[in-house]
Amino acid sequence: GAGVSQTPSNKVTEKGKYVELRCDPISGHTALYWYRQSLGQGPEFLIYFQGTGAADDSGLPNDRFFAVRPEGSVSTLKIQRTERGDSAVYLCASSPTPEYEQYFGPGTRLTVT
Amino acid sequence: SQQGEEDPQALSIQEGENATMNCSYKTSINNLQWYRQNSGRGLVHLILIRSNEREKHSGRLRVTLDTSKKSSSLLITASRAADTASYFCATDAGISGSARQLTFGSGTQLTVLP
Repeated sequence: GAGVSQTPSNKVTEKGKYVELRCDPISGHTALYWYRQSLGQGPEFLIYFQGTGAADDSGLPNDRFFAVRPEGSVSTLKIQRTERGDSAVYLCASSPTPEYEQYFGPGTRLTVT
Repeated sequence: SQQGEEDPQALSIQEGENATMNCSYKTSINNLQWYRQNSGRGLVHLILIRSNEREKHSGRLRVTLDTSKKSSSLLITASRAADTASYFCATDAGISGSARQLTFGSGTQLTVLP
């Protein structure tokens, strides 16, 4: 079956602009995670959804970052007033339940100029 | 913040040799997972070892876990050029039924020379 997909694969934006990153999890997976990976580092947790609700948003760096999953499937990560420090690869993962391994998408490479 | 630290940061070996990577972590865990990443993009899950397990095998992979030392190792036997990638350990410290955020180390870059 299809894996986790993310769009766009690359996004270049100017400082101060608003961006949306989309994640389509594997069908039927109730748990969805967002991570951010900077160059040369491992992924860092941002937010976790169980169904439609954000069960843990402790990794969001500040209030410019927000994520939604209105129907319990597709999720959108939203970044307001982007800064150059937001440049990174944003990874989405899903799993059947929280206790299972996580399946990662290919990521969206965000570049803020 | 990064909980785990992989060692070494970079490893270069000849095809056919074995590759060993180590991971240390700081807090109690439910399980530890190893992932592989090519070209800085999507991660591929390799193996999961639970806190009550000491060793696990999957094909050419062998993972050990020592919870008393808070460390794990990943052994890739008979390496191939296609094994060239970054390898990350990730720990799951959530309580049963709770959120399962993974905490990743900074990775080991493995290069297998043909």
